[in-house]
Amino acid sequence: GNSVTQMEGPVTLSEEAFLTINCTYTATGYPSLFWYVQYPGEGLQLLLKATKADDKGSNKGFEATYRKETTSFHLEKGSVQVSDSAVYFCALSVRRGGYSTLTFGKGTMLLVSP
Amino acid sequence: NAGVTQTPKFQVLKTGQSMTLQCAQDMNHEYMSWYRQDPGMGLRLIHYSVGAGITDQGEVPNGYNVSRSTTEDFPLRLLSAAPSQTSVYFCASSFGTGTEAFFGQGTRLTVV
Repeated sequence: GNSVTQMEGPVTLSEEAFLTINCTYTATGYPSLFWYVQYPGEGLQLLLKATKADDKGSNKGFEATYRKETTSFHLEKGSVQVSDSAVYFCALSVRRGGYSTLTFGKGTMLLVSP
Repeated sequence: NAGVTQTPKFQVLKTGQSMTLQCAQDMNHEYMSWYRQDPGMGLRLIHYSVGAGITDQGEVPNGYNVSRSTTEDFPLRLLSAAPSQTSVYFCASSFGTGTEAFFGQGTRLTVV
């Protein structure tokens, strides 16, 4: 079956530090990969995505590269801000017949202090 | 500019009561889904729909029913609430396969 494994949190960083949140996956077929972010009290919103091997998704200074050889999609940001404090979810989507559904990791909480 | 709207935002039920969580989207999306979010478990898929009149089970469907009579609405029904259904519920919609999913703000349900 399909599954997503991401590093447990919380990840605690000082402002302007470098961020990496690891994500690996297992999937049958050729998944699309996503990072979603959830701010306190809100629903999830898409941060970035990649649909095929070697694609790089990027948004708001965050980046992740689809690595098929290592089945990974690690999230990185060069300099985090306090406003980046949130829970980050790695997810995959695989087409099943004519349908596809999202499979999520358990989420990683990021706490950034001034 | 509504997107995905869920109601209610908060609900407390007694064991055995029934209720319906409402979800509506105004983006003409074909795909709609219900997830539950529990601490340390991430989001787990309950039911999903790929269009009006078509629904299917996800990872954790037991205790929940859904129907999709229109493109816009996808209600989730709890027929006989149990404490194990205490959770935060999210509805999501998307245009199609592999595309961005848009989430509602969630419904926090407590069953006592």
